[in-house]
Amino acid sequence: AAGVIQSPRHLIKEKRETATLKCYPIPRHDTVYWYQQGPGQDPQFLISFYEKMQSDKGSIPDRFSAQQFSDYHSELNMSSLELGDSALYFCASSLRGTYTEAFFGQGTRLTVV
Amino acid sequence: DQQVKQNSPSLSVQEGRISILNCDYTNSMFDYFLWYKKYPAEGPTFLISISSIKDKNEDGRFTVFLNKSAKHLSLHIVPSQPGDSAVYFCAASGMGGTYKYIFGTGTRLKVLA
Repeated sequence: AAGVIQSPRHLIKEKRETATLKCYPIPRHDTVYWYQQGPGQDPQFLISFYEKMQSDKGSIPDRFSAQQFSDYHSELNMSSLELGDSALYFCASSLRGTYTEAFFGQGTRLTVV
Repeated sequence: DQQVKQNSPSLSVQEGRISILNCDYTNSMFDYFLWYKKYPAEGPTFLISISSIKDKNEDGRFTVFLNKSAKHLSLHIVPSQPGDSAVYFCAASGMGGTYKYIFGTGTRLKVLA
């Protein structure tokens, strides 16, 4: 079965650079979530989209922005990268409805040097 | 303020015995709870969930118990197998599970052969 696809799997950027992470949800899933997991930490919710509209916002820095496109894939844009942005970034997708689980991608490991 | 807490950062269990992972939450609006299993450098994998209208849900070797009055849930794995060794996260959501998932801090389970 198709899973959530994230690209790239690994990314190395320098401070103050820009990065774009992509997420392709499971077919027919209409909701996308982005999470950030720092070393030894729990996944922190960043932002979510339902039907291409932002549905919820968490601890996402102003330097980050995201959107969901007409084909339901989502992109997380990160500008003015800082060393502290180094983390695993997970995308998850679900089919909107009550009591449905979200499925996670393999994550993108971002390293800012 | 950590709304979902897993107070045991690690747990070691002998193969064949029961593993019990605990999770506490503070927000009474949460009505959907999930357990995810995570290996290093991989995305969380959904294990089992429970809605607040139930107090128990079972799937093979995995059983989740929910005590709403105590705002506590637990995951039982019986019998434990070495392949179960991973980090386990509990997550909670509100509004019938359509709200963002809030993750706990994780418990690292080690099943000893």
